[in-house]
Amino acid sequence: AQSVTQLDSQVPVFEEAPVELRCNYSSSVSVYLFWYVQYPNQGLQLLLKYLSGSTLVKGINGFEAEFNKSQTSFHLRKPSVHISDTAEYFCAVSGAGANNLFFGTGTRLTVIP
Amino acid sequence: DTEVTQTPKHLVMGMTNKKSLKCEQHMGHRAMYWYKQKAKKPPELMFVYSYEKLSINESVPSRFSPECPNSSLLNLHLHALQPEDSALYLCASSLGQDNSGNTIYFGEGSWLTVV
Repeated sequence: AQSVTQLDSQVPVFEEAPVELRCNYSSSVSVYLFWYVQYPNQGLQLLLKYLSGSTLVKGINGFEAEFNKSQTSFHLRKPSVHISDTAEYFCAVSGAGANNLFFGTGTRLTVIP
Repeated sequence: DTEVTQTPKHLVMGMTNKKSLKCEQHMGHRAMYWYKQKAKKPPELMFVYSYEKLSINESVPSRFSPECPNSSLLNLHLHALQPEDSALYLCASSLGQDNSGNTIYFGEGSWLTVV
């Protein structure tokens, strides 16, 4: 079985500052890892995903994430945030057996002007 | 075109009503999903269709009835709902339901309020 833990429920950060949103996963098999963003009153949009290969994954809107197998982590980072990055961010995992996503509880990123 | 379209965007229904949520995708995807999302919570999987056949039902109450008329369409029929069923219902699709890391694409959701 797979599971995902997002350690921070809320992260406030000033505009143009860097940010890291943390995600740890648990799985007994190989996993695929995803970060989705949900803007207010909208559906989910894929930011990036890790399937295999290079552990540093670049996504849309300047976000990137690093897969760390030894620490079972997949933290999301952005070097300089904008007001428009204010949203809910979900880490998700899928694994052997089916392409179903298991979501973490989400991190609310609030960018302060 | 990576778009999943859901209608209606908002729905208010009484507990004795029968209504339906509709979802459409034209990406040639063969797996389609219904998720339920309560406020400030992550999406929870309800149903998965693979090649137009129901492959997963996450113990969803029978007052929710999914239907997949063809490979592009997915419906969720609602009957005798309870106020606690009020939530955002998200439709999604992916190339297949096999485990190859296929991206799951989500629609904008249908906001359901049961009164």
